[in-house]
Amino acid sequence: DVKVTQSSRYLVKRTGEKVFLECVQDMDHENMFWYRQDPGLGLRLIYFSYDVKMKEKGDIPEGYSVSREKKERFSLILESASTNQTSMYLCASSHRRSGQNIQYFGAGTRLSVL
Amino acid sequence: KQEVTQIPAALSVPEGENLVLNCSFTDSAIYNLQWFRQDPGKGLTSLLLIQSSQREQTSGRLNASLDKSSGRSTLYIAASQPGDSATYLCAASRGTASKLTFGTGTRLQVTL
Repeated sequence: DVKVTQSSRYLVKRTGEKVFLECVQDMDHENMFWYRQDPGLGLRLIYFSYDVKMKEKGDIPEGYSVSREKKERFSLILESASTNQTSMYLCASSHRRSGQNIQYFGAGTRLSVL
Repeated sequence: KQEVTQIPAALSVPEGENLVLNCSFTDSAIYNLQWFRQDPGKGLTSLLLIQSSQREQTSGRLNASLDKSSGRSTLYIAASQPGDSATYLCAASRGTASKLTFGTGTRLQVTL
């Protein structure tokens, strides 16, 4: 079975802190994604990576950065956390080939910024 | 810009009923459409993926259809069970086959 693991289920941070959210997948997927999910707004794509060291902005990249140094790991970084970044963060991965690009999701990290 | 809409936002049905969840999208130039299930506080689980060249996909009691010309997809759940209670999301690919635009979901409750 495909496994996408997010390092924390719950995080509480203070305004201004630098926050790292880690995601690891074990299926040799080329693509990895970070989303945030908010009530009434659904899932919104923050950043996307299609290969090691490659990244592409999603719909809401402001206030976030990412790092992909190894194929299996994709990190989301909040440079200076703010209260409006309180949300559920979901990581996903998929193959690049169009016929097999089902996205597999981690369990999510619920981040609270106080 | 692709927009995906799911109506209704919530649905309650008695156990054993067959039901249909609706998904509409504005841009018919999609590579595929995916249906996911999300349990409260959890991540998403892929249910079905329909390629743009396909009309439908089936998995057990689930059947998803795709009509690109009308911008619609439906998820049919046969003989619903309380364990089917969850939020169901559809997502349409955009630009490339990889990136998805999600609807806001239909929260389904199956009652005893």
